[in-house]
Amino acid sequence: NAGVTQTPKFQVLKTGQSMTLQCAQDMNHEYMSWYRQDPGMGLRLIHYSVGAGITDQGEVPNGYNVSRSTTEDFPLRLLSAAPSQTSVYFCASSYWQGSGELFFGEGSRLTVL
Amino acid sequence: AQSVTQPDIHITVSEGASLELRCNYSYGATPYLFWYVQSPGQGLQLLLKYFSGDTLVQGIKGFEAEFKRSQSSFNLRKPSVHWSDAAEYFCAVGAGTGTASKLTFGTGTRLQVTL
Repeated sequence: NAGVTQTPKFQVLKTGQSMTLQCAQDMNHEYMSWYRQDPGMGLRLIHYSVGAGITDQGEVPNGYNVSRSTTEDFPLRLLSAAPSQTSVYFCASSYWQGSGELFFGEGSRLTVL
Repeated sequence: AQSVTQPDIHITVSEGASLELRCNYSYGATPYLFWYVQSPGQGLQLLLKYFSGDTLVQGIKGFEAEFKRSQSSFNLRKPSVHWSDAAEYFCAVGAGTGTASKLTFGTGTRLQVTL
């Protein structure tokens, strides 16, 4: 089983460039979310979605956009990358928003120069 | 808003010794509490969760945690640590009934196991 798949695993950007982190899950999960992990700060919620066509902001949404056109995919877009967005990004999904059991991808390490 | 505090950044234990990782939470209602583990270079995996009922919950890999409302704590324990338990451990609290997947994580405790 693939579970939650994130691409790319590593990316280096220059300030001002744009990019999309891809996330796909094959478990028919309703709920999907994006977190960023920074040293000493744990994981912080960027955006989440409770179903196709529905997205909402988390704790640190500024500088990021998301969309959910299908149940399976939940891409995270950086429109104009900044050095402060250097981080490890995790996509996570759960069967429904009330389950609490998140399944995580392996992460995408982004460096913005 | 909910919050989670993990006071220990780094803990070292000997293999075979017991382990307790501390977690304190802040939440206005009955919390939904979780422990996740992250091995190096990997995503997080759920160890155990507490929603209601018995305050001592069992998880995978021999871990357990006890919910103590009076102390706002949800400490993780293991009677005998194995070298493969070396990882980073995160306590988390869910947003509430129907939104438990919207998790707020603590800053993590890194566990080192010496042989």
